[in-house]
Parts: sequence; structure tokens; C-alpha cells
Amino acid sequence: AQTVTQSQPEMSVQEAETVTLSCTYDTSESDYYLFWYKQPPSRQMILVIRQEAYKQQNATENRFSVNFQKAAKSFSLKISDSQLGDAAMYFCAYFSYNNNDMRFGAGTRLTVKP
Amino acid sequence: KAGVTQTPRYLIKTRGQQVTLSCSPISGHRSVSWYQQTPGQGLQFLFEYFSETQRNKGNFPGRFSGRQFSNSRSEMNVSTLELGDSALYLCASSVQGFGNEQFFGPGTRLTVL
Repeated sequence: AQTVTQSQPEMSVQEAETVTLSCTYDTSESDYYLFWYKQPPSRQMILVIRQEAYKQQNATENRFSVNFQKAAKSFSLKISDSQLGDAAMYFCAYFSYNNNDMRFGAGTRLTVKP
Repeated sequence: KAGVTQTPRYLIKTRGQQVTLSCSPISGHRSVSWYQQTPGQGLQFLFEYFSETQRNKGNFPGRFSGRQFSNSRSEMNVSTLELGDSALYLCASSVQGFGNEQFFGPGTRLTVL
């Protein structure tokens, strides 16, 4: 079964600094999607960034970028110029159409210090 | 454009009862997926509906079921409630599925006593 592991339950970053959240996954599939979702306190979950496994180029969305290492099955999220509004729970997720299943990591709680 | 709405937002039930949760997707979205979020188990995928058909399913017992209507609105039903079913139930909609961006609703907080 596919598993998604986020080894950092909590992370802290100073405002304007850069932080990297780690995610590893286990799969025997070659084609799948990886996601990072953000869940602010008492607010709705939103998609931060998405990566298709067949694309070698790392996805970027403004201050958010990923380091996708397919062979290592690693998918880390880098947040540059951290802002107070980035404070949230971040979930890494995996989906494969072949297995019709979506898996989430346990989440990393990010605190941003002013 | 209105976002994803879920009703009710809060619900209290007792063991053995059944419950139905509703999710209205963003207009034009045909895919609706459901998730259970608990402190112990985290986020778990329940199922996905697309054009009134269940297309993907997570690893949940048959007490958890759902359906989707022709207007893409979806309902999730849980029968014979157990204490462990207490959770935040989230739904998300997208144009065609997980390959597209999913937009989440605020969730329904279910408490089973």
C-alpha cells in the first residue's frame, strides 16, 4: 500500500526566512500525482502546489516550490520569504489513478515567528 | 463564484444512529471527493464521485456510503454510528478529478456520543 511520511510534526521559521518541509512516499507506480495542501487554523484546506510524476521539472507557485526526487521518492516543499499567513498545517498527499487511492501524510505544523 | 459548501456544519449524534452529510460543489465541477479527518488517524480519503458514479474508494467499511446527484451535489451517509466516527468530514470538488485543483469545503464536524 502506498504510504506518505512527513517526518517533521512541527517546524518553525522566522518571518522572511526560508523553510523546507519534507515528505517521502512509497509506491510501485510510475505515474501519480503529489500535492501539498495547507490547512490554516479554523480555515479551509487549500492546494499549495501539485506535481505530476512524469514531469521532471519541479513545480513552483510564487514563493512555494518543490524538490521532487522521483528515484528517492521524496517531495519536499520550500517556502521562501515566509509570511505570518503561512502559519498552518501542511499535508503532503499522493494519488495514483491505477490504485484509485489518495493518501495523506500526518502533517507538519508550521509556525512563523515575527 | 461560490465556493464549496457543506451542511450541516456541526452535528451531534448517538451511537447506532445514522447521519447524512451534504456537499455542494463549485458550479461546473463534476468531481466530488470526501475525506475524514481525526486527530488519531489524520486525513483519510473516503471516496470520489464523478458524474453520479463512484470512481475511487478508500479503505472504509460499508457503513460509509455516498451518492452524487445530476447537479453534482453529493451526500455522504454513515450508518450505525460508532464513537470512532467522530471527526471532521471534508468534501472537495474539482473540474474532473485529482488531476485538477481540488477546492475544499469548510467541513462538517460530527460528534458521536
